[in-house]
Amino acid sequence: AQKVTQAQTEISVVEKEDVTLDCVYETRDTTYYLFWYKQPPSGELVFLIRRNSFDEQNEISGRYSWNFQKSTSSFNFTITASQVVDSAVYFCALSEARRGTGGFKTIFGAGTRLFVKA
Amino acid sequence: DGGITQSPKYLFRKEGQNVTLSCEQNLNHDAMYWYRQDPGQGLRLIYYSQIVNDFQKGDIAEGYSVSREKKESFPLTVTSAQKNPTAFYLCASSLYGYTFGSGTRLTVV
Repeated sequence: AQKVTQAQTEISVVEKEDVTLDCVYETRDTTYYLFWYKQPPSGELVFLIRRNSFDEQNEISGRYSWNFQKSTSSFNFTITASQVVDSAVYFCALSEARRGTGGFKTIFGAGTRLFVKA
Repeated sequence: DGGITQSPKYLFRKEGQNVTLSCEQNLNHDAMYWYRQDPGQGLRLIYYSQIVNDFQKGDIAEGYSVSREKKESFPLTVTSAQKNPTAFYLCASSLYGYTFGSGTRLTVV
């Protein structure tokens, strides 16, 4: 069975600190996708990144970076120099890969609530 | 702009009533989904549809029903059989990743 664990329920940091959000997943599939989403107070989930299981390269996008390690089944997310606007709930997610129309079920972690204080 | 529109944003329902949440997308995505989010929890899949006129139950389908008569539309009905319907409901469509609507907060009064 697939499972996503975000062990950190809440994290509180002061602005400009770096913060890493942990994500550990379980799957028996050899091909799968991993995602991170941000949910600001408005409620809408915002897509941040998608990574397929064959691509273990780390990725950096501005202040965001992601570390995918298949050996430890982890897909951690780091925010560098955090800002108040980063305050949100962040979800890690895992989905099966399926050919065709792109429809696939996604399993979400419970989320990590990040508070960034000014 | 392409996206997903959910309406209404807030919905109040009396116990015993059915209520329908709207979800419309103009992204031309085949697959659409309904998720439920409870406070402090992740998202749980209610129903999903990979193509018009076809849909599948997710992990918590009891007390819910859906239809997919058009590619653009995937309405969710919360029936009176749903024992604890107060929650935040998110609709999504997908191609290579999810695009979410802004959600509907349903409260039973």
